[in-house]
Amino acid sequence: QSALTQPASVSGSPGQSITIPCTGTSSDVGGYNYVSWYQQHPGKAPKLMIYEVSYRPSGVSNRFAGSKSGNTASLTISGLQAEDEADYYCSSYASSSTLIFGVGTKLTVL
Amino acid sequence: QLQLQESGPGLVKPSETLSLTCTVSGGSIGSSNYYWGWIRQPPGKGLEWIGTIYYSGTTHYNPSLKSRVTISVDTSKNQFSLNLNSVTAADTAVYYCARRGPSGSPYFDYWGQGTLVTVSS
Repeated sequence: QSALTQPASVSGSPGQSITIPCTGTSSDVGGYNYVSWYQQHPGKAPKLMIYEVSYRPSGVSNRFAGSKSGNTASLTISGLQAEDEADYYCSSYASSSTLIFGVGTKLTVL
Repeated sequence: QLQLQESGPGLVKPSETLSLTCTVSGGSIGSSNYYWGWIRQPPGKGLEWIGTIYYSGTTHYNPSLKSRVTISVDTSKNQFSLNLNSVTAADTAVYYCARRGPSGSPYFDYWGQGTLVTVSS
């Protein structure tokens, strides 16, 4: 099991949109509609932002959207705000009831 | 509101066993359709799934840790536990307990605050 591939960092200005890709294989991301995304601020526990590719938990802003094409899932954040600055991790089901996380992406709001 | 709280030693010696407990409040482990899991994060690094358990005792483990990990559940205390044996410095991490989504859905919707465990002599 190798970690899912994410860019180490992305950045954007307030009000802009950014997209964070998460690349896996046909055995994880591409094989199941079970990709989730987590936001983690420094020193805090991760927070679920997207589950099952594109669903938002109650209370999560609709500025966060998830999608998937083939072996790559994506998290798009629109209307960037200062409080969106955090680390973001993708996760996928990977058969036999196992889970795998991405390496994480640091989002900087300029 | 569901809450999870990790507890256990913050310092473990190399080759010994790391033991942590997660206490769940605001909901019952034994009467719900959820799996419960452990995730860890080495300092400055990413998240790693360790394993999950159902109230019945059914477990699933990360293949890379499977030989050293045991997760158990105590429904009478509304707790589940992690044992990781033969630890090394590479096991130094913040350990989180979390609830997996309904019916085994592979995401974690409630997390504990995390507890730092350092492996050092």
